[in-house]
Amino acid sequence: DTAVSQTPKYLVTQMGNDKSIKCEQNLGHDTMYWYKQDSKKFLKIMFSYNNKELIINETVPNRFSPKSPDKAHLNLHINSLELGDSAVYFCASSPQVWGNSPLHFGNGTRLTVT
Amino acid sequence: EDQVTQSPEALRLQEGESSSLNCSYTVSGLRGLFWYRQDPGKGPEFLFTLYSAGEEKEKERLKATLTKKESFLHITAPKPEDSATYLCAVYTSGTYKYIFGTGTRLKVLA
Repeated sequence: DTAVSQTPKYLVTQMGNDKSIKCEQNLGHDTMYWYKQDSKKFLKIMFSYNNKELIINETVPNRFSPKSPDKAHLNLHINSLELGDSAVYFCASSPQVWGNSPLHFGNGTRLTVT
Repeated sequence: EDQVTQSPEALRLQEGESSSLNCSYTVSGLRGLFWYRQDPGKGPEFLFTLYSAGEEKEKERLKATLTKKESFLHITAPKPEDSATYLCAVYTSGTYKYIFGTGTRLKVLA
């Protein structure tokens, strides 16, 4: 069973479009995250939710809007896509918001904006 | 500002040639340091957690150590299947964030 799953794995779209990425975890964790990984493999936190409550909202354009319908799901909606949004987006989860446990990652969604 | 720096950026080793990867951190209130392995097209896979200076963890050919300023990932007699990007991350008190380094891309040649 996949612990953290995200869909789609690949997303190719044109500038100006709106797209969503979905994430689900079956680990029973309370906290979920979105990270953006650039071409140099740097992982940067975007958002985190703890039991459906927004905890972290980094300096991310407001074109990006996360939604957590329940603690097992965290989706990411992106409006008016730009070329610079091209990256790999990773969903992750941890047991609780206090970080003494490792993150569990999904396999990423590679977004390409043309 | 909390910061994590990994070196070298890339490393090529011959099979069996042991080496170490470095993760230096400048943070306030370290609660945990984590090592991950990332294969192409996959998400980072957890390897180790270290909580306090002096702590060591081992798994097969990998050994992680921690001081008050840095962590090392020692790779003993590596094999080609150890080729991957190795990432370290820290979690600090009060931030609720895991801050990642930029990784070390390791290539082990047969």
